[in-house]
Amino acid sequence: GAVVSQHPSWVICKSGTSVKIECRSLDFQATTMFWYRQFPKQSLMLMATSNEGSKATYEQGVEKDKFLINHASLTLSTLTVTSAHPEDSSFYICSVWFIGSVSTDTQYFGPGTRLTVL
Amino acid sequence: GQSLEQPSEVTAVEGAIVQINCTYQTSGFYGLSWYQQHDGGAPTFLSYNALDGLEETGRFSSFLSRSDSYGYLLLQELQMKDSASYFCAVTDSNYQLIWGAGTKLIIKP
Repeated sequence: GAVVSQHPSWVICKSGTSVKIECRSLDFQATTMFWYRQFPKQSLMLMATSNEGSKATYEQGVEKDKFLINHASLTLSTLTVTSAHPEDSSFYICSVWFIGSVSTDTQYFGPGTRLTVL
Repeated sequence: GQSLEQPSEVTAVEGAIVQINCTYQTSGFYGLSWYQQHDGGAPTFLSYNALDGLEETGRFSSFLSRSDSYGYLLLQELQMKDSASYFCAVTDSNYQLIWGAGTKLIIKP
């Protein structure tokens, strides 16, 4: 079954508005979650590492004031795209480390959120 | 810098076998993962290799040679539903995933 869920799966908004995307780990606790962005026909780009109870770590070139990350609990991390613009339209995907029988050093991904900014 | 190299596109025939190679250069190495991504979907975990050798999971197998910084994903008995992009990714010393650019697998009937 699914290990990670995201909500919403897709969203369309007007330029200048803010959009919140939720990422939940199912049936297990995740102290660390990752947020990625993927543009069409490109690979995934890590935006930030979300740490429960502390500030997120952002990758170089990612504006922390524009992409607000809150990891308030061990099962929920949120990404808020503030004052969204058309160039922010992308596929946003979260992931978590899964400690289980399959692997200890890789990540499982949520289903993604497709954001379209008009 | 860190980099992973994999072919951009591979074409194969339904029922055949295809191998997607991946070479890497990273700061630290914990393991090599493979993910499948269909158009419009999120990556789906396929396999993980931390040690040298072959891991088999049904029709899919993954191989790793740490001394050669090389791995491959082997897909057997190809089905049309296997048409997707396949990404290799290395878990580096910071426990981050370093991604390849992806290989688009095109399967012809």
